[in-house]
Amino acid sequence: GDSVTQMEGPVTLSEEAFLTINCTYTATGYPSLFWYVQYPGEGLQLLLKATKADDKGSNKGFEATYRKETTSFHLEKGSVQVSDSAVYFCALSDRTGGFKTIFGAGTRLFVKA
Amino acid sequence: EAGVTQSPTHLIKTRGQQATLRCSPISGHTSVYWYQQALGLGLQFLLWYDEGEERNRGNFPPRFSGRQFPNYSSELNVNALELEDSALYLCASSLSRLASLPNSPLHFGNGTRLTVT
Repeated sequence: GDSVTQMEGPVTLSEEAFLTINCTYTATGYPSLFWYVQYPGEGLQLLLKATKADDKGSNKGFEATYRKETTSFHLEKGSVQVSDSAVYFCALSDRTGGFKTIFGAGTRLFVKA
Repeated sequence: EAGVTQSPTHLIKTRGQQATLRCSPISGHTSVYWYQQALGLGLQFLLWYDEGEERNRGNFPPRFSGRQFPNYSSELNVNALELEDSALYLCASSLSRLASLPNSPLHFGNGTRLTVT
């Protein structure tokens, strides 16, 4: 079945450091890929998405590129801020998987001032 | 626009009891998803409703059930509660995936924290 694997956390960075959170997937069809973020005490919210190969999703300085050849969707940000501290979830949605959205385990990010 | 609302915020039950959790989707959204987020774990897919019917369910026992009402709000019922059912239950809504919108993102509520003692 479909699955999403993302790097284990927590990830601790200093402010203005470069961020990469790795995400790889397996899917029977041609999925859409998403990154969701969960800030402390809040529900999940969509950060960015990509629906086809080589698409780049971007939002709030975060970027991720849909790489079909490596089945990856790594999240990057050039300069993190303390306010980026949150849990980040990689996810996929696949028509052949019955339209359910499958989430990775989440990666907690701590950014120190 | 009002977001996805879930009630109650917290729910404390004893083992063997039943729990009912409620969710109101964003106006115009007909797809409702339920997820379980146990402490330290990711989101596990529970149920998907669209247009009033159950469309898919995850690997959970039959004591996890639910329904979707004509106004697209939804209820999750957990019967014969067990200690390991303690978790945050998240509801999410989206535009209908049946209406050829399989890539529509999910909009989440803040969840119901269920504690089973």
